[in-house]
This record gives sequence, C-alpha cells and structure tokens, in this order.
Amino acid sequence: ETGVTQTPRHLVMGMTNKKSLKCEQHLGHNAMYWYKQSAKKPLELMFVYSLEERVENNSVPSRFSPECPNSSHLFLHLHTLQPEDSALYLCASSQDREEDTQYFGPGTRLTVL
Amino acid sequence: GDSVTQMEGPVTLSEEAFLTINCTYTATGYPSLFWYVQYPGEGLQLLLKATKADDKGSNKGFEATYRKETTSFHLEKGSVQVSDSAVYFCALRVGSNYKLTFGKGTLLTVNP
Repeated sequence: ETGVTQTPRHLVMGMTNKKSLKCEQHLGHNAMYWYKQSAKKPLELMFVYSLEERVENNSVPSRFSPECPNSSHLFLHLHTLQPEDSALYLCASSQDREEDTQYFGPGTRLTVL
Repeated sequence: GDSVTQMEGPVTLSEEAFLTINCTYTATGYPSLFWYVQYPGEGLQLLLKATKADDKGSNKGFEATYRKETTSFHLEKGSVQVSDSAVYFCALRVGSNYKLTFGKGTLLTVNP
C-alpha cells in the first residue's frame, strides 16, 4: 500500500449505530487530518493531529470522536449521527510542519439513514 | 475570516479548448495559495501552489499566478484533455497554520 488509505470506502449506518472510519498513511508523516466534504460546500477541517496530539478541533459535535494511536493511523469514531452528517470524509497527512503539503486519501462515503 | 470563492460549475469543454477557472480570496493575513484536483473516486491532490505575490505556480500544463492587487489566483490551461476531467479546488493558508481554507470546487468535464 502506498500513500493514504481509508477504510471502508462506503458506509451506511442508522442514527443509533456506532461505527469507526480508519485512515492509514504510508508516507512517514507526523501530522494527520480529518476533513468533511459535503455537497455544494467547501471542505471543512474537523481535526488535526501532530505527533499523535490533537492540535486543532474545529467546533465539531461530540458525536464525532477522533483517535490517533500512532503517527500512521487515525480513526474517526461515530455514534448517534444525524442524516445531515452524510458526506465524504477525507483523511490527509503531512510531514510535520504546518506549511507542508497535505496528501489526501480517497475518502469514506458515509450515508446516515 | 478567510474565504475562497471560485466559479460555479459545472464547466464543460471540448478537448484542446482553453480553460480558465476563476478564484478570488479574502484573507486576514498574507496567504499561500493552492489549487487541488480531485479525480473521480480519488482524494485531493496538490496541483500547484504559490506562496507570494506575482509567483506563478505550474504543473501538468496548468498555471496560476498569485495576484495580490486583485486577490485572485485563476487556474488556466491552454489545451485541455479528456483526462483533465475532475473537480478543481482553490485553497489558501495564512501563516504557519495547519488549516487550509477551500473553495466549493468546480467540476470540469472535457469531451472528446
């Protein structure tokens, strides 16, 4: 595997379910990101981790819970989501400085019923 | 706050046509500017960037010039190909900041 991978690629869940999105980067980077991409809206940065510490949390509802166990893996735990949370969730990574280029994964298409 | 406005799509062109996708920005500081491209089923890829006024970023035949006086960073290509069909995002970053501020994206379709 190369680059940034995300699993699953598609996920359908009910509002009472609990699920997790997984991201793995094979680039030796130290920073990882979660973005939300909704139709007709700009990408929204959700969370940033640098060296496994959360450095940004952009007013994201608590039903989204990130976890970064090491610099190669990032999870987004989901519980009691709403239909408006349906979107493409993109993971990205970068070397370690804020100005370094971000490399994106293909995303997980989430549908909340 | 910071924001990016790019032209609404979709944009449909014939192969070998000239492409312009407009992008303007507002920023609280001195931004770096980026164009990202998202091919179908894939994540975003950095296409080009410029970090100071009058810089020109270029890659794969695409170009964009950082125009501070008009707060613009328009994307151009002289002759598009079918393989250029994708969604194009303009973005900015202010200072040393993890956050990229994106536009809404412009869908480009190139027909043979």
